Amino acid sequence: ETGVTQTPRHLVMGMTNKKSLKCEQHLGHNAMYWYKQSAKKPLELMFVYNFKEQTENNSVPSRFSPECPNSSHLFLHLHTLQPEDSALYLCASSQGQVWVGGDRGLETQYFGPGTRLLVL
Amino acid sequence: KQEVTQIPAALSVPEGENLVLNCSFTDSAIYNLQWFRQDPGKGLTSLLLIQSSQREQTSGRLNASLDKSSGRSTLYIAASQPGDSATYLCAVFYEDSGTYKYIFGTGTRLKVLA
Repeated sequence: ETGVTQTPRHLVMGMTNKKSLKCEQHLGHNAMYWYKQSAKKPLELMFVYNFKEQTENNSVPSRFSPECPNSSHLFLHLHTLQPEDSALYLCASSQGQVWVGGDRGLETQYFGPGTRLLVL
Repeated sequence: KQEVTQIPAALSVPEGENLVLNCSFTDSAIYNLQWFRQDPGKGLTSLLLIQSSQREQTSGRLNASLDKSSGRSTLYIAASQPGDSATYLCAVFYEDSGTYKYIFGTGTRLKVLA
């Protein structure tokens, strides 16, 4: 167990549905992330939150709406998705986005098990 | 545009062998590079994080090196074990026009045979 949990683990939804993915970290971290892992494609960073503030949005369509009410919880609200949005959605957390020895970089991230999403 | 490539895509070796997994990236202006393993049905586990100012990092039987100028990183696994079987991913963190990006390679699927 990495200390990062995700629910649900599996989700099937129609294109007109609205659903939410939940991520919770028990590590006392300040930064949280959403990733998308599609079949045969590299993992893609979607959103970054640091101290509850969204710091990065990597050109993600508006049908994906993140929410970070506090440093321990992260949601991904889904609406009017497309079949190509079917993927494994991974959540991760890290202590923070900090300067380390003059280099700016993300600290070691801890990942949840993911939510396997199928859009019909 | 940053591209991250991992070769080979799949690897099958007998137990006890020393392994080298390769990761190459096209833009050397990175902040750090991270190696992960992913087990089937599970999320990613961070193995080693190398900052751009560092040359290598070691953890147990794992050693990762970074050569920024040539755009390469290698993950060395000593005395491989069946429990090392997993997909290994590398990822680079960099800045592109004011936006931070984290780009992953497609991974190397490793199978260590008992």
